[in-house]
Amino acid sequence: AQSVTQPDIHITVSEGASLELRCNYSYGATPYLFWYVQSPGQGLQLLLKYFSGDTLVQGIKGFEAEFKRSQSSFNLRKPSVHWSDAAEYFCAVGRYNDYKLSFGAGTTVTVRA
Amino acid sequence: EAGVTQFPSHSVIEKGQTVTLRCDPISGHDNLYWYRRVMGKEIKFLLHFVKESKQDESGMPNNRFLAERTGGTYSTLKVQPAELEDSGVYFCASSPFDSLNTIYFGEGSWLTVV
Repeated sequence: AQSVTQPDIHITVSEGASLELRCNYSYGATPYLFWYVQSPGQGLQLLLKYFSGDTLVQGIKGFEAEFKRSQSSFNLRKPSVHWSDAAEYFCAVGRYNDYKLSFGAGTTVTVRA
Repeated sequence: EAGVTQFPSHSVIEKGQTVTLRCDPISGHDNLYWYRRVMGKEIKFLLHFVKESKQDESGMPNNRFLAERTGGTYSTLKVQPAELEDSGVYFCASSPFDSLNTIYFGEGSWLTVV
């Protein structure tokens, strides 16, 4: 069975600084990888996904993520954080022909002025 | 286009009572999913409908939980009787028939059992 680890429960970053959220997965075959964000009072919104091809994936809101098979990682990055990026971020893994997603525990991002 | 809508957004019930959560998927989406997040834990898969059929209910925690999707449109998730450990956020999601890569989530239904 696949599993996802997000090592950081909470990260605080200054507005304008860069952000990197870590995600490690455990899965035998090529995974389908996702990052979701949940802002206060909102549902889960898909930021980006990786299925195959280019290992650097661009998403919405200026986010990107890089799939590194050798490290079983799919870290999320943003070069310059805005106050509106304060939210909880979830990494998820799925697999071909299986509609079930496995989520990490989430990382809460606080943005300070 | 309307997104996935869930009702109620918040519910507080006493232990032993019954609660029914409703999910309206995006129109035309054959796949409907229920997930939940109990306090401080991961978001966990509960079950998956394809139209009105249960495709996978391996994540349902026990027989106090009953999900239905009559007519392949909206779905309900009933918890009867509710226990304290059922408190959490229940997410519904939907996707088109042939696609894992476009799963849309609702805002969640927050359940508190006291």
